[in-house]
Amino acid sequence: AQTVTQSQPEMSVQEAETVTLSCTYDTSESDYYLFWYKQPPSRQMILVIRQEAYKQQNATENRFSVNFQKAAKSFSLKISDSQLGDAAMYFCAYREAAGNKLTFGGGTRVLVKP
Amino acid sequence: DAMVIQNPRYQVTQFGKPVTLSCSQTLNHNVMYWYQQKSSQAPKLLFHYYDKDFNNEADTPDNFQSRRPNTSFCFLDIRSPGLGDAAMYLCATSPGPGAYEQYFGPGTRLTVT
Repeated sequence: AQTVTQSQPEMSVQEAETVTLSCTYDTSESDYYLFWYKQPPSRQMILVIRQEAYKQQNATENRFSVNFQKAAKSFSLKISDSQLGDAAMYFCAYREAAGNKLTFGGGTRVLVKP
Repeated sequence: DAMVIQNPRYQVTQFGKPVTLSCSQTLNHNVMYWYQQKSSQAPKLLFHYYDKDFNNEADTPDNFQSRRPNTSFCFLDIRSPGLGDAAMYLCATSPGPGAYEQYFGPGTRLTVT
């Protein structure tokens, strides 16, 4: 069974600075997808960024970028120029290529200090 | 432009009294999911529907049931809620498997008294 591990329960970052969230996963599959989801306090979960395992190039969405290391099974999220609105729980998630199910990591709470 | 709607947003039920949570979507997605999320934890998948095909997670208690009468609606029935079932219940939809994003509703917070 696939597992996803986020080793940082909480991270704090100064506004306008950069923070990196760690995620590792375990799978025997070669084709899969990785996601970072953001869950703000009392608001619904939204997709931040997605990475296809077959792509070597790291995904980027505005201030959000990933460092995908397939051999190491590592998928970290970098938030650049942090804003107060980035404060949220961030979940790393894994999905098999043909699968419907998302496997989530335990989450990392990001605090942004003004 | 609500896309995944959950009603009610807050539900209080008594210990052992059946309760139904509802989810509707305007996205016409094939897949609908129900998750249970306890405080500061990751969402835990209870089951999902791919069209009419029901898929139950192995560790989902029998106390939890689901119905999907049509593409737009999906219900979560808790037959005899216990105190341990108090949680946020999230509904999500997806066009299909693999790369497709899951779209989450705002959740229903269930309190069991």
